[in-house]
Amino acid sequence: AQSVTQLDSQVPVFEEAPVELRCNYSSSVSVYLFWYVQYPNQGLQLLLKYLSGSTLVKGINGFEAEFNKSQTSFHLRKPSVHISDTAEYFCAVSERGGGADGLTFGKGTHLIIQP
Amino acid sequence: DGGITQSPKYLFRKEGQNVTLSCEQNLNHDAMYWYRQDPGQGLRLIYYSQIVNDFQKGDIAEGYSVSREKKESFPLTVTSAQKNPTAFYLCASSAILGGPPSGYTFGSGTRLTVV
Repeated sequence: AQSVTQLDSQVPVFEEAPVELRCNYSSSVSVYLFWYVQYPNQGLQLLLKYLSGSTLVKGINGFEAEFNKSQTSFHLRKPSVHISDTAEYFCAVSERGGGADGLTFGKGTHLIIQP
Repeated sequence: DGGITQSPKYLFRKEGQNVTLSCEQNLNHDAMYWYRQDPGQGLRLIYYSQIVNDFQKGDIAEGYSVSREKKESFPLTVTSAQKNPTAFYLCASSAILGGPPSGYTFGSGTRLTVV
């Protein structure tokens, strides 16, 4: 079975500074990887996903993530954050060939943007 | 526009009462899921369904029940056996369980409070 670890529960960052949200996964088979964003009292919205091909994936709102197979990581980055990026971010993994119960989510990282 | 509709947005339950949360999708997705979200705990899978009239328990199914009589509907009942039901509940769907994933589409959630 797969698992996901988000190493930071909270990340405070000043506005216009760069940010990296860390995600590591564990799986015995190849995986698909996802990042989702959740604004207060809302559902989750897909930011980006890695299925195959280029290890650098670009998503919405200026975010990107890099898949590193040797380090089993899929860290999310943004070169310059805005107040509107304040939200909860979730990393998720799905095993290729189909895990019986779909995606496994990390516990989330709360990104706090300080003016 | 296609999407997932969860209702109600807020729900209050008295001790010993069963309540049902609605989830409807018009995306023609095969798979549907229910998650529970508590602060700092991420998303925990309650039940999932791959096809009509079939569903599987997730990690925390005790005290919950579901049905899948129609492809577009997957209601969740929180029974009196669930001792701590206060939480944010999220419904999601995906096109093909186990195939190349497009990711999940989430509803906007139902916040359930025991009074």
